[in-house]
Amino acid sequence: QSALTQPPSASGSPGQSVTISCTGTSSDVGAYNYVSWYQQHPGKAPKLIIYEVNKRPSGVPDRFSGSKSGNTASLTVFGLQAEDEADYYCSSHAGSKTWVFGGGTKLTVL
Amino acid sequence: EEQLLESGGGLVQPGGSLRLSCAASGFTFVNYGMSWVRQAPGKGLEWVSAISSGGAGIYYADSVKGRFTISRDNSNKTVFLQMNSLRAEDTAVYYCAKVYILGAYFFASWGQGTQVTVSS
Repeated sequence: QSALTQPPSASGSPGQSVTISCTGTSSDVGAYNYVSWYQQHPGKAPKLIIYEVNKRPSGVPDRFSGSKSGNTASLTVFGLQAEDEADYYCSSHAGSKTWVFGGGTKLTVL
Repeated sequence: EEQLLESGGGLVQPGGSLRLSCAASGFTFVNYGMSWVRQAPGKGLEWVSAISSGGAGIYYADSVKGRFTISRDNSNKTVFLQMNSLRAEDTAVYYCAKVYILGAYFFASWGQGTQVTVSS
């Protein structure tokens, strides 16, 4: 149950796009289309923004997009807005009803 | 509106025990798996444990296996986490989450968390 690998930080100016990567192994990210992404503002609970690699829950803006290739998943935020500044975590099913999270990426809107 | 409200956190000495509760409302509790996820100070999220809708399926992270026990009371829409033999590294905010556990695997909604501090 090793953590998925995310860059510690990412940044972009308002209106730009930014992509956050999430690298796992052939036992988690590479094995299942069960990658999800969570947004967490300081002092708040995490919020689901992407599930099953590229699906958005109702109410999540379509500026958030997910994808996967091999053992690496990605979250792209298009048209950055100030309120997108937060920590982002990826997660993957890791078999046998267990989950693994990434270490988190702090997104700064410049 | 879906709500998850955790309680039971606090300060406990190493080797001690604590029981967390999570009261659910706003959705059909008996239809969903439930999970606990924790976050150590300044650190990332760590999955701790999950339980299926009926309670028969129970799953743990290696880091807590043998020390923590998850359970649920569907009549009272509550999920519990019994934590024994606590260690300093168990210090974290513990979040309760509604989890999809069959054919989909994600944490759909989260509570606000309860702080657990293990220290002498």
